[in-house]
Amino acid sequence: DIQMAQSPSSVSASVGDRVTITCRASQRISSWVAWYQQKPGKAPKLLIYAASTLQGGVPSRFSGSGSGTDFTLTIDSLQPEDFATYYCQQANSFPWTFGQGTNVEVK
Amino acid sequence: QVQLQESGPGLVKPSQTLSLTCTVSGDSIRSGDYYWSWVRQHPGKGLEWIGYIYHSGSTNFNPSLKSRLTMSVDTSKNQFSLRLTSVTAADTAVYYCAREDHTVISVFESWGQGALVTVSS
Repeated sequence: DIQMAQSPSSVSASVGDRVTITCRASQRISSWVAWYQQKPGKAPKLLIYAASTLQGGVPSRFSGSGSGTDFTLTIDSLQPEDFATYYCQQANSFPWTFGQGTNVEVK
Repeated sequence: QVQLQESGPGLVKPSQTLSLTCTVSGDSIRSGDYYWSWVRQHPGKGLEWIGYIYHSGSTNFNPSLKSRLTMSVDTSKNQFSLRLTSVTAADTAVYYCAREDHTVISVFESWGQGALVTVSS
């Protein structure tokens, strides 16, 4: 299975901050990465797919980049509703696997 | 807008079978535009893809669960189901059904609210 190592596991930030989360794949996976946001007690929500394409309705302060093994999710000007846990997912080969998550918490 | 809703027992005894059904509204499983997946989340942990089923009944399972897993689809009821046999406490999790889109890459673009299943005697 492809392992997706996310870092950091947790980050403390304030409203207006820029937050960067990284995901490293255990092998090259081209751009076959998606990012999800999950709030407590809720299902995950798709934010970005194919490493950098924003899902419809997702605010433009979210962006993704990377290819190969290293991927980044950036949140520009963090908003109160962005405090959540974020997961990366690889869609290069079965079984699909997720990173362990990054909790963005209030500083 | 598509909606997915999981249903099934919230408590299952060890060694028994976990069964869940996902009812889809706002989209037809029969259309063949999507795959229909299950993803689980152990308490306080990350996400694990269980497998998917297509409207034709073809499936793809996570090898870690394959020996205990069955999925089925009922297009007349617009439902798909999961059966996991010989459960243990390690199968305690929130189980989500999701619509999986393979248009560009395989992503879970719509989710049910999740169903907590506890394995305990």
